[in-house]
Amino acid sequence: RKEVEQDPGPFNVPEGATVAFNCTYSNSASQSFFWYRQDCRKEPKLLMSVYSSGNEDGRFTAQLNRASQYISLLIRDSKLSDSATYLCVVNYDNAGNMLTFGGGTRLMVKP
Amino acid sequence: DTAVSQTPKYLVTQMGNDKSIKCEQNLGHDTMYWYKQDSKKFLKIMFSYNNKELIINETVPNRFSPKSPDKAHLNLHINSLELGDSAVYFCASSPISAPHEQYFGPGTRLTVT
Repeated sequence: RKEVEQDPGPFNVPEGATVAFNCTYSNSASQSFFWYRQDCRKEPKLLMSVYSSGNEDGRFTAQLNRASQYISLLIRDSKLSDSATYLCVVNYDNAGNMLTFGGGTRLMVKP
Repeated sequence: DTAVSQTPKYLVTQMGNDKSIKCEQNLGHDTMYWYKQDSKKFLKIMFSYNNKELIINETVPNRFSPKSPDKAHLNLHINSLELGDSAVYFCASSPISAPHEQYFGPGTRLTVT
């Protein structure tokens, strides 16, 4: 079983749609959680952290459910520029350096 | 100004050769990393250095040897390259205060033939 699992997609949505991705993690001792974004043939970039209380950054909302060990990312009013692979990331160690990445969910926003 | 730079961007080589990838960051970060992203797109940490000291060394063949001459540089040397080493290798760095905020380089696409 993979430590961090994501539906690889692709999710094909029209512009303006709302789309949600989930991610599950296996280690209940996980300490912190993040979403990274990776454009095609580019490097990953931090999108947002995921807090226990949930957090929002513009059109993006991230939520954490520790009891069920899943993390979600909601994107409202999708833009063409949102097309990318979204990587769910979990940290297990106290120092915070050791990030475990999911395989990513690919989003394609169509005009 | 590139924050994290890697050279070369592409590397095509034959099995059995030895090659190096260089990484430099100008962000003033203390921690640097090497990741491998395979053909299935899974990104896995290989090594992490904090101020030139090795702090993470995942299960990586000892043909891979990182070297950090100073805290702004982390190079990766690979001996006796194998077909399975073909992947994209990313260097990254992060500040001590926010280790999860990792800034990645553009990647080095290694193809072993």
